[in-house]
Amino acid sequence: DIQMTQSPSSLSAFVGDRVTITCRASQSIGSFLIWYQQKPGKAPKLLIYAASNLESGVPSRFSGSGSGTDFTLTISSLQPEDSATYYCQQSYSTPPTFGQGTKVEIK
Amino acid sequence: EVQLLESGGGLVQPGGSLRLSCAASQFTFSSYAMSWVRQAPGKGLEWVSTISGSGSSTYYADSVKGRFTISRDNSKNTLYVQMNGLTPEDTAVYYCARGQYCSGGSCQNDYWGQGTLVTVSS
Repeated sequence: DIQMTQSPSSLSAFVGDRVTITCRASQSIGSFLIWYQQKPGKAPKLLIYAASNLESGVPSRFSGSGSGTDFTLTISSLQPEDSATYYCQQSYSTPPTFGQGTKVEIK
Repeated sequence: EVQLLESGGGLVQPGGSLRLSCAASQFTFSSYAMSWVRQAPGKGLEWVSTISGSGSSTYYADSVKGRFTISRDNSKNTLYVQMNGLTPEDTAVYYCARGQYCSGGSCQNDYWGQGTLVTVSS
């Protein structure tokens, strides 16, 4: 199975800050990388697919980059509603695997 | 708007069985793979199973293989998972999700249901 490792596990930042979350795969997955946002008590929401493609309706302050084994989710200007846990997932091979999550809090 | 509505969760004793359902609407159900993903209390996301749009292909996590069976009824736009031999480690919120651009059982899940809680305890 492909292991997905996110860092950091949690972070706290001010509104307006630039926030970066990293996801590393244990082997190359091309661009088969997805980012989800999950708020407490809610289902995950698709943010980014194919490593860098923004899902329709997702604010443009979210962006994704990377290929192979190293990927990044960036929030260019953190907003209060971005407080959530973010997960990466590889869709390169079965079983699909998720990172452990990064909890983003607002200072 | 795509809708996915899970049902069937509840409290079950260890060794017991439960069947979850996921009613889909507002899209052509048979054209999409569907998955179950679970989340134990306070934990991360764990893939459980995926079924192709036709139902001819199924995939399972090792942790549930031989105990869980995924199925679908395209005439009823409904996804199921039959869960047997439940253990406390199966306690989680179970989400159904629509999949696309799948590589085998590994999909991009673009829509998710609200989840249904399964608690395995004596």
